[in-house]
Amino acid sequence: GNSVTQMEGPVTLSEEAFLTINCTYTATGYPSLFWYVQYPGEGLQLLLKATKADDKGSNKGFEATYRKETTSFHLEKGSVQVSDSAVYFCALHGSGNTGKLIFGQGTTLQVKP
Amino acid sequence: GAVVSQHPSWVICKSGTSVKIECRSLDFQATTMFWYRQFPKQSLMLMATSNEGSKATYEQGVEKDKFLINHASLTLSTLTVTSAHPEDSSFYICSATTGGFAPEQYFGPGTRLTVT
Repeated sequence: GNSVTQMEGPVTLSEEAFLTINCTYTATGYPSLFWYVQYPGEGLQLLLKATKADDKGSNKGFEATYRKETTSFHLEKGSVQVSDSAVYFCALHGSGNTGKLIFGQGTTLQVKP
Repeated sequence: GAVVSQHPSWVICKSGTSVKIECRSLDFQATTMFWYRQFPKQSLMLMATSNEGSKATYEQGVEKDKFLINHASLTLSTLTVTSAHPEDSSFYICSATTGGFAPEQYFGPGTRLTVT
């Protein structure tokens, strides 16, 4: 079945450091891939998405490229801020139109001033 | 942008009572709504998928008689936790989607349920 694996956290960085959060997936067909962010005590917000191989999703300085050959969708940001501290979830929507998302376990990012 | 609200944002109830949580799409019509449960420092666990006007589809291991879901309109779905027990304490999150290819899910802010 479909699954998503994220690197374990927490990830602790200093402000302006480079961020990478790894995400790999297993899926049949051609899934769409998403990154969601959850700030403390809140629901999830869509950060970016990619719907086909080699697509790059980007938003608020974050980027992720859909790599079918390595089944990966790693999240990157060149210079993190304290306000980026949150939990980041990688997710996939499989082929077929169920609408269901499969989430990774989440990675906590802590950015220190 | 698409906004999903949940009410209440937090609730404390006594063991044995029932609690209803509402999920509303405020500025769009949601063909499908999803209910998730999230334990501390863990990922979201999908509980059920709800389509307007039809019975919810529950994920394996979720008790449909305990977690009653009603999707009466294209903008409202409710989750009722019946005969709540302390182990039902959790963060419940709903999401809504308009459907289509690669449907984006819009998430509510979540409801913190504490059963004493």
